[in-house]
Amino acid sequence: KQEVTQIPAALSVPEGENLVLNCSFTDSAIYNLQWFRQDPGKGLTSLLLIQSSQREQTSGRLNASLDKSSGRSTLYIAASQPGDSATYLCAVRLSGGSNYKLTFGKGTLLTVNP
Amino acid sequence: GAVVSQHPSWVICKSGTSVKIECRSLDFQATTMFWYRQFPKQSLMLMATSNEGSKATYEQGVEKDKFLINHASLTLSTLTVTSAHPEDSSFYICSATSAASTDTQYFGPGTRLTVL
Repeated sequence: KQEVTQIPAALSVPEGENLVLNCSFTDSAIYNLQWFRQDPGKGLTSLLLIQSSQREQTSGRLNASLDKSSGRSTLYIAASQPGDSATYLCAVRLSGGSNYKLTFGKGTLLTVNP
Repeated sequence: GAVVSQHPSWVICKSGTSVKIECRSLDFQATTMFWYRQFPKQSLMLMATSNEGSKATYEQGVEKDKFLINHASLTLSTLTVTSAHPEDSSFYICSATSAASTDTQYFGPGTRLTVL
């Protein structure tokens, strides 16, 4: 059974700092991995999607890496801003085909202080 | 593009009543829709997967007679929580994929259910 763990559970940083969020998964036979952002009481916004054949994806100040063999992914946020404060969720999809099931971690609650 | 809406955004009901939550894809045809439940500070847990015109596939431990899912059209899926109890209070989120983009699930804004 696939399990996804995110460390740390919470992180508080001053504005402007670079930071790294970690995600690990137990079954390395994944199809892809996604990072999402969730604001309090809201739905999910997809940030980055990395296919199993890729090692990283970048979007603006965000960079996500994937090491499938070791079951790890990191989300790097450069020059953090108070608007980045949210919960960041990592999710993996196992096989391809018609199995779209995503397994989520519990998330990392990020607070960026002005 | 790829917007998913949910209605209502929050609902409070008495124990024993039934509550229906709607999930709509506004600008694409959702061949597959998913229903998730999220308890405070917990992961999103997949409850069921539904394909348009077919019966939903429920995850282990999810009572299909309690959580009725209907996906009658390519833009609408409904989740009905029957005979709701306080332990059903949670945040329910739907997502959808299209035939053109099966890699990406587009998530709705969620529905907060509180059962008194």
